[in-house]
Amino acid sequence: RKEVEQDPGPFNVPEGATVAFNCTYSNSASQSFFWYRQDCRKEPKLLMSVYSSGNEDGRFTAQLNRASQYISLLIRDSKLSDSATYLCVVGGESYIPTFGRGTSLIVHP
Amino acid sequence: SAVISQKPSRDICQRGTSLTIQCQVDSQVTMMFWYRQQPGQSLTLIATANQGSEATYESGFVIDKFPISRPNLTFSTLTVSNMSPEDSSIYLCSVETAPYTFGSGTRLTVV
Repeated sequence: RKEVEQDPGPFNVPEGATVAFNCTYSNSASQSFFWYRQDCRKEPKLLMSVYSSGNEDGRFTAQLNRASQYISLLIRDSKLSDSATYLCVVGGESYIPTFGRGTSLIVHP
Repeated sequence: SAVISQKPSRDICQRGTSLTIQCQVDSQVTMMFWYRQQPGQSLTLIATANQGSEATYESGFVIDKFPISRPNLTFSTLTVSNMSPEDSSIYLCSVETAPYTFGSGTRLTVV
């Protein structure tokens, strides 16, 4: 079983739609959680950290469920510019993060 | 967050040759990470570079193929040696401080 699993997609949605991604992790000792965005042929960039109480940044909402060992990302009112790959990243005790394979999102007009 | 400068940004190399990738960090960091990202795949950790000691390689990666230098706390290099087309990939460096920032990546094509 992979340490961090994501549905690779692609998720193909119209502008304005709401879309949600989930990510599961296997290490119950994981301590930090992030969503990264990666555009084609670019490096990953931090989208948002994920906190235990859940957090929101504009159209983006992230949630953590420690009991079930998953995190989620919700994007409301999708824009064309949201098209990218979204990487789930989990940090453990060793300082070395583990990356999911990424979920591809395509927002079309 | 640390700012990382990585170069070259891209290269096309002949098989059998070697390429050295450099990463410069704007602050001192204990650990630097080197990743490979093959098309359509996630990031795979190659090795962890520590200043003053040999790098720690992940399973499937060896020092002879990917020698790493870490001369100080702000700089590291990764060499891809004796390249073959299978080494065509994006190579990224990062640092240990969360949230993790990356160099801009080196897009390597081996022909």
